[in-house]
Amino acid sequence: AQTVTQSQPEMSVQEAETVTLSCTYDTSESDYYLFWYKQPPSRQMILVIRQEAYKQQNATENRFSVNFQKAAKSFSLKISDSQLGDAAMYFCALTGANSKLTFGKGITLSVRP
Amino acid sequence: GAGVSQSPRYKVAKRGQDVALRCDPISGHVSLFWYQQALGQGPEFLTYFQNEAQLDKSGLPSDRFFAERPEGSVSTLKIQRTQQEDSAVYLCASSPRAARTPFSYEQYFGPGTRLTVT
Repeated sequence: AQTVTQSQPEMSVQEAETVTLSCTYDTSESDYYLFWYKQPPSRQMILVIRQEAYKQQNATENRFSVNFQKAAKSFSLKISDSQLGDAAMYFCALTGANSKLTFGKGITLSVRP
Repeated sequence: GAGVSQSPRYKVAKRGQDVALRCDPISGHVSLFWYQQALGQGPEFLTYFQNEAQLDKSGLPSDRFFAERPEGSVSTLKIQRTQQEDSAVYLCASSPRAARTPFSYEQYFGPGTRLTVT
């Protein structure tokens, strides 16, 4: 079985500052993928960033980067230069060979102007 | 191009009614997933189709839930005799690749259907 844990229900960040969202996971598979999804109030799930477990290098996508610690089963998301449009629910997710996604409970990120 | 669409966007049902939720995946996508997202929670897997074949229905919470994809494109999730605990957002996602193939992790989500059972 796969589990994803997001223990912080809410976080707040000042516009233009940096924030880190935490996630831990557990899986028995050796080949898996980790994701961060953004879900604004419109409910559309938007892929923010993806990390292949076999890659040691941390993924980056513009202002978004991850800190992937495979041995610790930790996968945090760092958002730099936060913008008002970053305010949303963020979900950490995991998939293995069967391609079905296992999500964490999510974290609500608010951005203060 | 067109993304995944779902209809209706909102559905209110009285307890005991049957409902049908529709998902139109991206044209040509092989895989289709249904997820259930309760209020304040992350989505949870319900079922998976590869073309018209339902290969995994391990997440369906009861035999009141039924899904089909008869021609390998549009899918319908049906809930019979709805209960209050069925209130949730139902998300559909499609992928251009079959599960267990390279890059099959790509999933494109629809906007969801919010079901409220009163």
